[in-house]
Formats: sequence, structure tokens, C-alpha cells
Amino acid sequence: DGGITQSPKYLFRKEGQNVTLSCEQNLNHDAMYWYRQDPGQGLRLIYYSQIVNDFQKGDIAEGYSVSREKKESFPLTVTSAQKNPTAFYLCASSTPQGTGNTIYFGEGSWLTVV
Amino acid sequence: AQSVSQHNHHVILSEAASLELGCNYSYGGTVNLFWYVQYPGQHLQLLLKYFSGDPLVKGIKGFEAEFIKSKFSFNLRKPSVQWSDTAEYFCAFSDSSYKLIFGSGTRLLVRP
Repeated sequence: DGGITQSPKYLFRKEGQNVTLSCEQNLNHDAMYWYRQDPGQGLRLIYYSQIVNDFQKGDIAEGYSVSREKKESFPLTVTSAQKNPTAFYLCASSTPQGTGNTIYFGEGSWLTVV
Repeated sequence: AQSVSQHNHHVILSEAASLELGCNYSYGGTVNLFWYVQYPGQHLQLLLKYFSGDPLVKGIKGFEAEFIKSKFSFNLRKPSVQWSDTAEYFCAFSDSSYKLIFGSGTRLLVRP
């Protein structure tokens, strides 16, 4: 079945360590996104990518990095520079703008800094 | 900067009451608008979307939303809510690029 796979589902990190969250999609979507969801703040856009080898900062990109070397993959690295990394992270992908820009979400990854 | 505002953070209704959740966006160009729902313990689901045409959009589970361009609004409505509508509702919009911006969400509690 087509979909978005995020891993790991739960991750614990020590302060000062970088951690990478994986996101893979087999929907053949051009665009991919990373959001962070915190209670009372909704979904905030970290990074998005419209095409392979290109990505744009969202509203809260500081302390995060991404890459888009393959169409189906968009990993997110939470660096030690991110001051408050404990959160629920959602990856998403979407169809091209002309066909409706419907976005599909992965199941999310819980990151806890201990 | 582009943004989406949901002014009601928490709404409490009794079953059978009517619902209207406000959503305003700030962007001067062509927009695509969405409402998503997140039920307790579940993932985001698309309720409805607007791209063009009839500004009154009907979605799943009896929800509808009206795009009023002059007010930059896309309010969500349901004539009669049920206990099962208890969830968090997110408004979102995208511009001519792929950038998709979400509001902060409205938590709806429907009392039986």
C-alpha cells in the first residue's frame, strides 16, 4: 500500500546529541514536509521540499537540518542547537499543486530529550 | 508573513448544538484552504478543502466551510454536532508554492 513511513516512532536523546528522523514515501509525491506539533500551537512548519535537491526553511527551521537526495526520502536532523526539541514530529507529502495539493501525513515520531 | 489564525482555542458544546469555528488567513494571492481534524489518539484527517469554484465546500461527516475572499476567512460549520465530533480541528492554507501553513488548532468538546 502507498503511504508515508516515519521511523523511529519513539526516540530518546541525550542533551547535546544530534538525532535523525527518517521519512520515506512511496506515493511518488514531489513535495515533502516536516512539521512539529506541540500542545496549543498546532503544526508548525520546519522545512519543506518541492523537488529533489531543493528545500526551503519553514517558520521554525533553527536547530534543524534536512536533505532531499531522493524523491522518496526526506530525513530530518534535530541538532544540539535546537533548544527545545522534545515534541511530536510529523512528516508529510503532497501531490502537485495543479492536482489539488492534498497532503498526506505519516504516523509521527515522538522525540524526548532526557 | 503568511499566517493562519484560529481565534477559538477551546469550544465546548452540547450535542445537537450548531458549530462554527473561525479561520482567517493572511495572504493576498490565490490560496488553497483546508480543514483537518485530529481525533483523540489518532492522526490528522482531511475534512474538506477549497481550491476554486463554489465557495461553499462540503466535506465528510456533515461538515462544510465557506470561503469568503473579502474577509480572508474559511469558517467551518456543522448544523448539529455529535459527541463523536470531539476532536482538535486545524485550518490550513497553501499559496501558489507547496508551502502549507496550519493554524494553532481549536479543541472541540461535545458533551453528551
